[in-house]
This record gives sequence, C-alpha cells and structure tokens, in this order.
Amino acid sequence: GQQLNQSPQSMFIQEGEDVSMNCTSSSIFNTWLWYKQDPGEGPVLLIALYKAGELTSNGRLTAQFGITRKDSFLNISASIPSDVGIYFCAGPNSNYQLIWGAGTKLIIKP
Amino acid sequence: ETGVTQSPTHLIKTRGQQVTLRCSSQSGHNTVSWYQQALGQGPQFIFQYYREEENGRGNFPPRFSGLQFPNYSSELNVNALELDDSALYLCASSLTSSSYEQYFGPGTRLTVT
Repeated sequence: GQQLNQSPQSMFIQEGEDVSMNCTSSSIFNTWLWYKQDPGEGPVLLIALYKAGELTSNGRLTAQFGITRKDSFLNISASIPSDVGIYFCAGPNSNYQLIWGAGTKLIIKP
Repeated sequence: ETGVTQSPTHLIKTRGQQVTLRCSSQSGHNTVSWYQQALGQGPQFIFQYYREEENGRGNFPPRFSGLQFPNYSSELNVNALELDDSALYLCASSLTSSSYEQYFGPGTRLTVT
C-alpha cells in the first residue's frame, strides 16, 4: 500500500538553527499536510498544501509540495525551544483516508 | 469556539474486556475520524463518521466499531481487547467529509493488561 517515509527520524537542534525535514512516497499525492505533536497531546495542523510546486509559510515554518507530487519538505527557520516535538507529514491515499509518516523528532541539544 | 475534546484521558483495561471512548467534535464540524497511534509511530486511520454514518474504514477488525450522534459527537468501541490494542486513540474533526484538514483532540491513552 501507499507509505510515507520521513527523514530524518530525529535531529538535535540548537536554538537559532534552521531545520529541514522531508517526506517521500513512491506514489503520487494530491495533498500534503504537516502536523506537530507535543508529548501527551494530539497533532496540531501546521500547513496544508494542495498544488504541486506550492510553497506555503506559517510564521517561521515553510512547506513545499514537490513538483513530482511524491515529496514534500518542511523548513523551520531560527528554531526556538518550543519547536521541540514530533513533526508528521500526512496525505490522502487512494481511498481518501489520511496516511501518516512515522515522524521526525526534534530534540534540543544539551 | 470549542475544540475537540476526548474522554477519558487514560484508561486501563484487561484483555478480553470492552471499552468505549468518547469524542466531542469542534463546533461546526460534521465529520469525525478516529486514529490509533502506537508508541513511536504515526496515527493509523480506523474509521470516519459523517452525519451519523460510517464513511470509510481502515485496516481494523470488526471488533472496532463506532457511532456518531446527531450533535456530531462520536464514540469508539473496542470489544475483546487484546494487548496490542494498547495505544493512544485520537479523535479528529473536520468541517466536511471531503476536508483533509483535521483538528485533533488530546487523545485517550488505553493500556490493556
């Protein structure tokens, strides 16, 4: 079935650093969604993308819908401690059901 | 505007028992989706309810069932609990059944012993 692969699995960040992560699939997607989940909470929608090549920002976050429609990217500029958490990409499969990647975990460098 | 709420927050059950989890959708949203999230993984779609009818189901056995009420709140029922059912159960509401922008509750942590 369709799968979403996120990388990296985890990354250590220092305050002020820019962060990049991506989500890839062997199948074409018509919508890409990026969510963030904090411990003990449900995922929160960050950005929704609907068109190949689309670049959308939400504050310090920018996400892109890859032109092949098989990938998407999320960038965080000038990271702050509250950016720590797990970032998920999600997209609808052929049955219009959302499938999710396994997440990218952002951790603060000690 | 009231967000998505779920109850209970935590639950411990014994293998073979039955459990009911509850969800109130965000104001104005008529569609509720349920997900199971195992530790360290992304959410997995269980099913969706739209206007009190099941509107799509993931790869879960029939012992996972649901209901949606006229006020769009919803229940997830799981019969004959197994150890592998231990997970965070998330409810998400959306404005319509065709909207992929879903808004999640905090989840119910179910532990089966």
